[in-house]
Amino acid sequence: DAGVIQSPRHEVTEMGQEVTLRCKPISGHNSLFWYRQTMMRGLELLIYFNNNVPIDDSGMPEDRFSAKMPNASFSTLKIQPSEPRDSAVYFCASSLASGFEQYFGPGTRLTVT
Amino acid sequence: DAKTTQPPSMDCAEGRAANLPCNHSTISGNEYVYWYRQIHSQGPQYIIHGLKNNETNEMASLIITEDRKSSTLILPHATLRDTAVYYCIVRVEGTYKYIFGTGTRLKVLA
Repeated sequence: DAGVIQSPRHEVTEMGQEVTLRCKPISGHNSLFWYRQTMMRGLELLIYFNNNVPIDDSGMPEDRFSAKMPNASFSTLKIQPSEPRDSAVYFCASSLASGFEQYFGPGTRLTVT
Repeated sequence: DAKTTQPPSMDCAEGRAANLPCNHSTISGNEYVYWYRQIHSQGPQYIIHGLKNNETNEMASLIITEDRKSSTLILPHATLRDTAVYYCIVRVEGTYKYIFGTGTRLKVLA
């Protein structure tokens, strides 16, 4: 199994631009999580999907952030417009079901200038 | 939310056992203790979890005190590749949420 796949691995963009991060969960996993990690705030849960349905998006910082999961094998996290304070590493994780151990992808390092 | 307390950093000699403590005095009866680690620039990696009994797998052992207020992760023969930040997490009861704290930065010394 290839594990959780994220793309791109690195993204550098200018303030105001739209950014789309992509995630392919492990096949057969029905729970998907998006996290953000910064030095100041550590690892924070942004949103959680179960069976492709968003269950809890209370961690999404503001309306500039949106996430979708059109099918069981693909999810996106979009930031529009991006701001320098969005610079962070964004991780996607999946699990067999909620409550089971989560498997994290390698992350996308986002830099907004 | 159940909270965990870990020492910020620890050193361990290569080949020796690394014992990483965690305090979770407010844990409730049905909450599991999970351990993850994050090697520099990588995503967190699941290590082990437990409820009441001690657990062992190919990576580590988890010792949970009888009152469940604390636990210890044991890496029996630490290697340089075990240098990482280790997170002790109590899953919020009835939810899928992990609350990642600041963890323990373990440095394995040659």
